[in-house]
Amino acid sequence: AQTVTQSQPEMSVQEAETVTLSCTYDTSESDYYLFWYKQPPSRQMILVIRQEAYKQQNATENRFSVNFQKAAKSFSLKISDSQLGDAAMYFCAYRSAFLTGNEKLTFGTGTRLTIIP
Amino acid sequence: GAGVSQSPSNKVTEKGKDVELRCDPISGHTALYWYRQSLGQGLEFLIYFQGNSAPDKSGLPSDRFSAERTGGSVSTLTIQRTQQEDSAVYLCASSSSGTGGSAFFGQGTRLTVV
Repeated sequence: AQTVTQSQPEMSVQEAETVTLSCTYDTSESDYYLFWYKQPPSRQMILVIRQEAYKQQNATENRFSVNFQKAAKSFSLKISDSQLGDAAMYFCAYRSAFLTGNEKLTFGTGTRLTIIP
Repeated sequence: GAGVSQSPSNKVTEKGKDVELRCDPISGHTALYWYRQSLGQGLEFLIYFQGNSAPDKSGLPSDRFSAERTGGSVSTLTIQRTQQEDSAVYLCASSSSGTGGSAFFGQGTRLTVV
């Protein structure tokens, strides 16, 4: 079974600075997807960024980028120029790319990010 | 619809009563997921539907929980004889092959059992 680990329960960063959230995962599969979701106090889960395992290039979405290290099974999220609106819980998630009926998303326990004005 | 819609947004029920939570996925999405999130906790997988395949029910915590998906679209999660430990936010998500594995979530239903 796949597992996702987020070892930082809480992080804080000064507004306009850069912060990196860590995520590691364990799988025996060769093809899969990795995601970062953001959950603000409104509780709506918002997809931040997505990475396909077979792609070597790290995904980027505006101020958000990932450092995907497949051999190390590491998938960290970097937020540049942090803004007050980035304050939220961030969840890392894994999903198999094989249509075997086991495509459920497996989530880490989350990292609470605080932005300091 | 434009996004995943869940109803009700909030539900307060008495212990022992049955409740039904509804999820209306994004039109055309073949996959539908239910997750449970207890206060301050992560997401606990409950059940997964994919097209006409048999659902993956491996996350349902007890036989008091059941879910169905009618016509490959709307899904209902039913909790019978609710207990206080069932209090949580229930999140629904949907995806399709066109989303490249990405799942999109509804706003959730906050269930409070008193």
